Amino acid sequence: QKEVEQNSGPLSVPEGAIASLNCTYSDRGSQSFFWYRQYSGKSPELIMSIYSNGDKEDGRFTAQLNKASQYVSLLIRDSQPSDSATYLCAVNRAKTSYDKVIFGPGTSLSVIP
Amino acid sequence: EAGVAQSPRYKIIEKRQSVAFWCNPISGHATLYWYQQILGQGPKLLIQFQNNGVVDDSQLPKDRFSAERLKGVDSTLKIQPAKLEDSAVYLCASSFYDEQFFGPGTRLTVL
Repeated sequence: QKEVEQNSGPLSVPEGAIASLNCTYSDRGSQSFFWYRQYSGKSPELIMSIYSNGDKEDGRFTAQLNKASQYVSLLIRDSQPSDSATYLCAVNRAKTSYDKVIFGPGTSLSVIP
Repeated sequence: EAGVAQSPRYKIIEKRQSVAFWCNPISGHATLYWYQQILGQGPKLLIQFQNNGVVDDSQLPKDRFSAERLKGVDSTLKIQPAKLEDSAVYLCASSFYDEQFFGPGTRLTVL
């Protein structure tokens, strides 16, 4: 089992719809969770961090964390063509004095006008 | 606040040549990371520094890759000799806690 897994994608949604991106992780002791957006040919950009169970909202983005199920998701409401990118889930497995962040393979999202 | 700086942005070399990448992190960020990202995959950690000490280099191919972070600020990643499979984007990131901020990357092509 890979440490961080994501929807294989690509995911296509119509403009204005909700895009749902999913991520599971294997280490039950993981502490913090991140979503990065990566446009083609660009570097990853942090869009959400979540540290405790439940939902965290920031504008059109909502991150959801369920540690018992080892599951984290990202919802994008009112999807726009500018949201078309690869979304990377990252998990911090830190158990020592330094962070141990593992990235998933990413899910490609295409928002169709 | 200035972001993470990297240079060069692009590099084309022949196999068996050497190449070096430079990274300057965000001021005050103690942790610096070098990643390799192959097209269609997530970033793979090569080496992680905390100040000027290495805390994780378990995935660094030490027979050909080396990295240093002198004085706990900027860092250099070197490949010598390069192989065809080293063609990738090399990303540098830095963090104060665990939120990482990435530089623009260096796209390496090995012919």
